This record gives sequence, C-alpha cells and structure tokens, in this order.
Amino acid sequence: GESVGLHLPTLSVQEGDNSIINCAYSNSASDYFIWYKQESGKGPQFIIDIRSNMDKRQGQRVTVLLNKTVKHLSLQIAATQPGDSAVYFCAENLGLLKGSGGGADGLTFGKGTHLIIQP
Amino acid sequence: GAGVSQSPSNKVTEKGKDVELRCDPISGHTALYWYRQRLGQGLEFLIYFQGNSAPDKSGLPSDRFSAERTGESVSTLTIQRTQQEDSAVYLCASSPDYGYTFGSGTRLTVV
Repeated sequence: GESVGLHLPTLSVQEGDNSIINCAYSNSASDYFIWYKQESGKGPQFIIDIRSNMDKRQGQRVTVLLNKTVKHLSLQIAATQPGDSAVYFCAENLGLLKGSGGGADGLTFGKGTHLIIQP
Repeated sequence: GAGVSQSPSNKVTEKGKDVELRCDPISGHTALYWYRQRLGQGLEFLIYFQGNSAPDKSGLPSDRFSAERTGESVSTLTIQRTQQEDSAVYLCASSPDYGYTFGSGTRLTVV
C-alpha cells in the first residue's frame, strides 16, 4: 500500500467561511472520482462524486471541480459549520465508465486533509 | 440491514494469535472491498471481491492475511499470527457498481 506520513495536511477555517480542499490524482485514465468525509471513529462517508466527462458538480453546500488537464480535484464547502470538521479524502477509480464493474483495482485514495472549523 | 455492518467493532488480541474480521455488505452489492487505516493515515487497499471471487489481492501485505467471501454476501478477513504492526482500523465497503458504502470498521489492537 501507499506509504503516507502520520500527520495529515490540515486546513483551518472560520465557521461560516467557505473552504476549498484540493487533491491531485495520479492516473490520467481514471474516470470516476469521489470525495469522502471521515469523522473521528467512523468509517468514510460518501459526499459527492463526479465522472470524467464533467468538470463541475454541485450538491448541497458542496461543489466538486475536476480539472483533467492538470489532474486536479477540489471540494468546495460553502458556509462551513462545526459538523464539517472531519478528514476529507478524494478517491479515483479506473475503469468505471469502461464497464469493468466498479473498478478491478478498487478506489485509490488520496492522503486526506483534516478540516478544522474554528468557532 | 440498510448499511454495511462490520464485526466486531473492537478487537484486542495478543501477538501471535489469529483473528477473523467479518463484513456484511448491503444486500445485492456485488463488489466488496477491504481497506486498512492506520492511526492518522489514509486508506490502504487490501483486497477486492467481485461476487465470490477476488480478482485483485494485490494489497494484502503478507501471506498472514487472507480473505474469503461466500454467497456473494458475507466476507471474512483473517489475519494469522498477528503482529503489532497489524494494529489498525479495518474497513469494508460494498458497491453495486459505483457509489461505495463503507462500514464503521473494526479497530484491531495487537498487544
């Protein structure tokens, strides 16, 4: 597996501000991307996904932007709330749109970013 | 159940003992994944099942690790002769095609 450091990158924002979490992905052939939120002591929770034939997708208070040219993914959270404090992971999947049944290799996860909401 | 269920939620075992971790995926989800998460770190892929077969075992860290799935449903991850470095949260996820749903994990502590 991927070797990662013990300390995740941290982003600290004021409650009510907007936050942007960035992620660089590795495989230019990846065709499906997901953002997960993981609160302390819990499993990752699906937030929003985007396919490679899109460059933007909006959900409730969240927007995901995909830039395939530079292999960059971002998650924007509007009007952050204390409940948004968590670790956020991006994940890429190869082969979803090619009919490989969910990706033979599973998801490849980024290292995660710890979002801290300051009161 | 409505979600992915993992048991036990916590397991403390002595070094050298074998442990079995169980995952009950969402009914009808054909794909099942196991991941490992060490304290403060990201998610490490272990193994993927499509139905009852495992086309990708590339993430299993050693031959002490094995997994099986039966009835295209329950999966067990077995760790033999546990070592302290096996201490981690083991997460299971299932998927019908895309949109993975994770369980809450099993926290394994090897003492």
